[in-house]
Amino acid sequence: SQQGEEDPQALSIQEGENATMNCSYKTSINNLQWYRQNSGRGLVHLILIRSNEREKHSGRLRVTLDTSKKSSSLLITASRAADTASYFCATSDYKLSFGAGTTVTVRA
Amino acid sequence: SQTIHQWPATLVQPVGSPLSLECTVEGTSNPNLYWYRQAAGRGLQLLFYSVGIGQISSEVPQNLSASRPQDRQFILSSKKLLLSDSGFYLCALAGEAYEQYFGPGTRLTVT
Repeated sequence: SQQGEEDPQALSIQEGENATMNCSYKTSINNLQWYRQNSGRGLVHLILIRSNEREKHSGRLRVTLDTSKKSSSLLITASRAADTASYFCATSDYKLSFGAGTTVTVRA
Repeated sequence: SQTIHQWPATLVQPVGSPLSLECTVEGTSNPNLYWYRQAAGRGLQLLFYSVGIGQISSEVPQNLSASRPQDRQFILSSKKLLLSDSGFYLCALAGEAYEQYFGPGTRLTVT
């Protein structure tokens, strides 16, 4: 399976700042997805980017994909306290393979 | 819209006891269903997936088993729990475009 690996493991920012996290993977993909998990809860699907797309936006989220470098980034702009969560990337074929996640803490 | 129910929400069980976790879904038919386990501070490990009634694929050899007795019901079981079975268990169903939707999870502590 193709596992995404997120970097950094943890990130602490001030409310209003941007948060950027990266994901690397090992082999060719059909698409890459980002999920958010609030503490003790299930995962919530944020965005899916296909292998033929380079950038995608959803609200305050911006995802980029560089298939030549086998990497993706998730940018959260103008962060809020409610963005405090763990963020996971996942590569998919018939199943999802998750990395260990980036824990984001947004300080008020 | 699709809804995923999991119960119980939390469970504390002694080593050697049996386990049964249930996942039911609403708002869809013939979904692909998944069981994941998440250790504390870690990513998700896929345990089982099912593409239909009675069809189970195991991803990791272990102390657990899964069954799908009905189209919208997915059960995770164990005959004898181990300490290493502790974790957060998540049920998910596949959407139309490869995305997955997750239930609220069951936190299992084996003592």
